[in-house]
Amino acid sequence: EDQVTQSPEALRLQEGESSSLNCSYTVSGLRGLFWYRQDPGKGPEFLFTLYSAGEEKEKERLKATLTKKESFLHITAPKPEDSATYLCAVQADDKIIFGKGTRLHILP
Amino acid sequence: EPEVTQTPSHQVTQMGQEVILRCVPISNHLYFYWYRQILGQKVEFLVSFYNNEISEKSEIFDDQFSVERPDGSNFTLKIRSTKLEDSAMYFCASSVDRSTYEQYFGPGTRLTVT
Repeated sequence: EDQVTQSPEALRLQEGESSSLNCSYTVSGLRGLFWYRQDPGKGPEFLFTLYSAGEEKEKERLKATLTKKESFLHITAPKPEDSATYLCAVQADDKIIFGKGTRLHILP
Repeated sequence: EPEVTQTPSHQVTQMGQEVILRCVPISNHLYFYWYRQILGQKVEFLVSFYNNEISEKSEIFDDQFSVERPDGSNFTLKIRSTKLEDSAMYFCASSVDRSTYEQYFGPGTRLTVT
């Protein structure tokens, strides 16, 4: 069964304290892995797509990496405005399977 | 910057009633999707739509659900006879094509069934 597991469920960091969020997946025929940011009461906001093991992408303080079984979202020197829920999702055929997300809270 | 829009932002309906949720995808996008998110739970795929037909649907998308692209801009989700457990946030998304798979989400419609 296709599955996406994110850890930790919640993470509190001090401003400037770097860390990583994990997304492990089991899916037959991975077509792509996605990271989204979701603020309360809003729709997911697209961040990155990764297609193959070894691929990395960066955007401001965020960097996403991909292996054959998991992906990491590294956040460097985060700021309070980075507080959000970060969602990982994988593409299988024409549907996307989401993880439960990691709630990230950055303390000033 | 182009964005996906959804109306209404909040819909309250009584159990057994029909509801139609509306979405305007980004204009040059060809693939359209509906997702739902029950409060506190993960985002769940409902259906994908391309070239005026459903390309894939989940187990959640049963006979009570239907989708339509009635004109060149709107994409709708209809729930024929709502149940209490249909209460959720419903998100529409669209993507340029299948190869990129980068889906852009709308702000959602909160459906409350009483």
